[in-house]
Amino acid sequence: AQKITQTQPGMFVQEKEAVTLDCTYDTSDQSYGLFWYKQPSSGEMIFLIYQGSYDEQNATEGRYSLNFQKARKSANLVISASQLGDSAMYFCAMREDTGGFKTIFGAGTRLFVKA
Amino acid sequence: DGGITQSPKYLFRKEGQNVTLSCEQNLNHDAMYWYRQDPGQGLRLIYYSQIVNDFQKGDIAEGYSVSREKKESFPLTVTSAQKNPTAFYLCASRHIGQNTGELFFGEGSRLTVL
Repeated sequence: AQKITQTQPGMFVQEKEAVTLDCTYDTSDQSYGLFWYKQPSSGEMIFLIYQGSYDEQNATEGRYSLNFQKARKSANLVISASQLGDSAMYFCAMREDTGGFKTIFGAGTRLFVKA
Repeated sequence: DGGITQSPKYLFRKEGQNVTLSCEQNLNHDAMYWYRQDPGQGLRLIYYSQIVNDFQKGDIAEGYSVSREKKESFPLTVTSAQKNPTAFYLCASRHIGQNTGELFFGEGSRLTVL
């Protein structure tokens, strides 16, 4: 069954340091997409980064990179040079590319950036 | 501007009443989704739809109903059968065929049952 697990309910990081948010997933599909979204306290959902199951290179978008380890079914988000504005909830999500493109989310990790 | 519009932003309902949340998109996206978010928790999928006149149940469809009569619109009805309807509801859409296919979200509707 399709499942996303985020085991860190909360994380603290010092400003300007890097932080890794963990995500593991489970699917029987060969073709799928993995996403990270940010949700500030305002409630909006902001797309950060995408990794396709067939992509061999790890995705990067500015200060965000996705550490994709397919055999271990993990898709960790790395935020480099943390900023105070990075304090938010972060959600890992997976879309299966068969059966209707169902997209599910993990429980989220709340990141606190300390000055 | 292109985007997703959810209304109302805040809604109060008495127990036993049905309520319909509106979701309209002008992005020409094929797929649309409804999620429920409880405080401090993740998003749980209620219903999703790939094309007009077709939709599938998500993980928590009980007590909810949807329709997809137009590509732009995907309203969600929270029925009186939903035992715990107080939550934040997010509608999203995406373009099928786009390489990344990320979800575009509305601003959400916060439903409170009194």
